[in-house]
Formats: sequence, C-alpha cells, structure tokens
Amino acid sequence: NAGVTQTPKFRVLKTGQSMTLLCAQDMNHEYMYWYRQDPGMGLRLIHYSVGEGTTAKGEVPDGYNVSRLKKQNFLLGLESAAPSQTSVYFCASGPEMGSTEAFFGQGTRLTVV
Amino acid sequence: AQSVTQLDSQVPVFEEAPVELRCNYSSSVSVYLFWYVQYPNQGLQLLLKYLSGSTLVESINGFEAEFNKSQTSFHLRKPSVHISDTAEYFCAVISGGYNKLIFGAGTRLAVHP
Repeated sequence: NAGVTQTPKFRVLKTGQSMTLLCAQDMNHEYMYWYRQDPGMGLRLIHYSVGEGTTAKGEVPDGYNVSRLKKQNFLLGLESAAPSQTSVYFCASGPEMGSTEAFFGQGTRLTVV
Repeated sequence: AQSVTQLDSQVPVFEEAPVELRCNYSSSVSVYLFWYVQYPNQGLQLLLKYLSGSTLVESINGFEAEFNKSQTSFHLRKPSVHISDTAEYFCAVISGGYNKLIFGAGTRLAVHP
C-alpha cells in the first residue's frame, strides 16, 4: 500500500536550474497539496489542487508552478531555482468527503547552491 | 486568516516523565484542530484531531489533547513518555476550505533515558 510517493528523495541544484518534483497517490483522493518545511517555520502551503485539471495558490507560491493533468499525480516545478528554495518539500493528499486527514509523502530534500 | 502558535520549539524530557506540548490558535467561529507527528527522516502522520463533540481526544499510543475554546488552546499531553516518542510534533488548523492546513512552527520532543 504505497499511499503518497514523492520523487526524487534528494536533489542538489545549481542556482538558475530547473526541476520538477513528482507526487503520486494511489488513494483516489481529490485534494492534493505541496508544502515546504523550513526550520522554525513549520510547513507552509505552496500550491494545492482540488481535482484533476485544477490548481490554486497557497501561502508561498512565488517561484513555483504546478500541474495536475492526472488525478493521481501532482507536479511541482521550479523554473529557475534560487538558494531561498532550499527546503524539504512535502506532498500530501486528502479525500473531498468523509475525512479531514491529510496523508503525507516522505519528503524531498532540495538544496540549491 | 487562521494562525497557530506552538510556544516551545524544543522540549527535553526524561523517559517515563509526563509531557505537555502547547498549542494556541487564533479564534474562529468553527475550528478543526490537529496534531501531526514527524519521526526523523519521515513524513508527517496524523496523531489526533478535534472536529466536534468531546473536547478531550486521544490517540492510540497514549497521547491526548484537550480543546479549550475559552483559552483558544489545544495542548498535547502524555502522562509517561517513551524513547520512541522522540519526534517533532506539529499543531495545525484547517483554514479557508478544501482542508488546507495551517501549521505551527513545530515542537521537537527529545526523550532521554
């Protein structure tokens, strides 16, 4: 039972490079989220999606783009990485009805040098 | 907008001692509150939640939290901690629909033998 799977688990980027983080869930959840975790700041919402083909901005969206072409996948893109984007990124998913619980992936540790 | 304050960034405690991790939230008409736990190098897992009803909620591993509306608090307690409880604990509240979570900064619980 995979749950929420994030790819890759670790990555080092040079400033200005681009990359895409992949999140896949196998629970048929409507809602998906991308958070970043920074020391002393908890987790902050970057973007979220309430269904296939929809996306919306969260608390800290600048410098990121997202896409949800398939219900089970939620991609987070960095077009031109900056050192301020060094963080641990977590994807989460949750059902539209019946539960308020969010299910988290294992995280992607990204370092921008 | 909702906000969550965790008053202690680190809590050291000896094994079998009691512990309280404090959480305060900004006032709202209705509030759904959560405690998530993050073990080292892992994603977040739901520990317990308050949606409505009894103000005292319990987890399967001995933690409990009490919703106190007058003090806008949702403190997490355990009467006797184990080494395995060493982790980071996040208090969170749903804000703005679609089950989007606002997290506190986290409290690192370190249980010493």
